[in-house]
Parts: sequence; structure tokens; C-alpha cells
Amino acid sequence: ETGVTQTPRHLVMGMTNKKSLKCEQHLGHNAMYWYKQSAKKPLELMFVYSLEERVENNSVPSRFSPECPNSSHLFLHLHTLQPEDSALYLCASSRVLGANTEAFFGQGTRLTVV
Amino acid sequence: AQKITQTQPGMFVQEKEAVTLDCTYDTSDQSYGLFWYKQPSSGEMIFLIYQGSYDEQNATEGRYSLNFQKARKSANLVISASQLGDSAMYFCAMREANNAGNMLTFGGGTRLMVKP
Repeated sequence: ETGVTQTPRHLVMGMTNKKSLKCEQHLGHNAMYWYKQSAKKPLELMFVYSLEERVENNSVPSRFSPECPNSSHLFLHLHTLQPEDSALYLCASSRVLGANTEAFFGQGTRLTVV
Repeated sequence: AQKITQTQPGMFVQEKEAVTLDCTYDTSDQSYGLFWYKQPSSGEMIFLIYQGSYDEQNATEGRYSLNFQKARKSANLVISASQLGDSAMYFCAMREANNAGNMLTFGGGTRLMVKP
């Protein structure tokens, strides 16, 4: 059983909808991440929270809005998405310090925008 | 320029044989970490093995070993005695020293298919 849980596993939404992706980690980590995995493209880092503060935002469109209320939970709020936003969204967590600390991933949310 | 390059989009291997998945990287940092992840069809990224830039020995984890050649900037994954359950996407990733947290840059992945 994974220490990082993502819900929902699958989501279909219209371009005018508002939805949220949820990620929860039970590993005692203090850094959390959102990655986007599109077909035929490498994983792209979207957001990083370290000690509950956002430390990285890789030029992600404002229709994606992250929220990290505490070190165990991470949300990705979605609104007015485009069909090209359809992808697998992966959440990960890790310890903040230490180059050798691996990131643990959830199973992802498969998002389809129609 | 890509920081992580995986030149093999797909590979076949016979069950019980060994296979090497290639990974080259580009960084100007002296301190960095290299990771390999497995992604089965379920979508989850599963950590396999880690190699630090200052580690003198190649990392090994069970049937996985990492052939680290620092001068060539390569970090190939070797899977010994392939099993049908090894069929999946495999991603090489790098963490550079000045990254906050543990931000990873991923390669494009290699799809491994194990034949019975």
C-alpha cells in the first residue's frame, strides 16, 4: 500500500468546471510536489512545497492553483481547463534535506478535459 | 538542451535474461543524485535505485544495479534475471544540488517489455 494517496484516480471534467485533486502522505515528509505527465513527454514539475511554503512554480498557467494546508496534504485546484491539460497528475513527497532522499509518488489522477 | 536523455523508447528482453536501460545526464553541479523509477500501467512511480555523484561504488538493490560512469555522465540501469512483472516504463531522474526539496528532472522513459 502506497504511503502517498491521490484522489480521485480518474476525473473527467468539462472546460467550465471547477474540480480539485487531493494528495495525502503518511510518511512524515515535509516536501510535496505536483508533476504532470502528458503522453510522449517527460514528467514536468509543476509545483513544490517545502515546509508548507511554495518554493517552485514552473510557469504553470493560473488555471492550476495549488494549496498545501499542512505537511500531509496537497491540493491542486482546477478551473477552466483546456483539452491539452488532459494528463496524468502525479503527487509526490519527500524529506526536504538530503540529496539521496527519494521522492515517493502516488498512483496519480488521470484527468480528461472534454 | 535536455538534462536527462533516455535514448531507448522501447526495449524487449527475454524472460530470465539481463537488460540494460540507458541514461545520460547533463549537469554542471558537482553534487547531484540519480534515480531510477518504474511506472507500471497502474500509473504509480516506484522508486528502484539511487546513485549519489560522490558514491564510489555502483549502487545495487536486489536485481537492480546502476552502472555509473561519471566521466561519461551516464547512469544505466541493469536488471538481471528479468521477470514478466518487470514490463513497465522506466524513468531516469536527477536531483541537482541547488534544487529545493527533492525536485527531480526526468528523462523521457523507456518502455521495457519482457517476453515469456
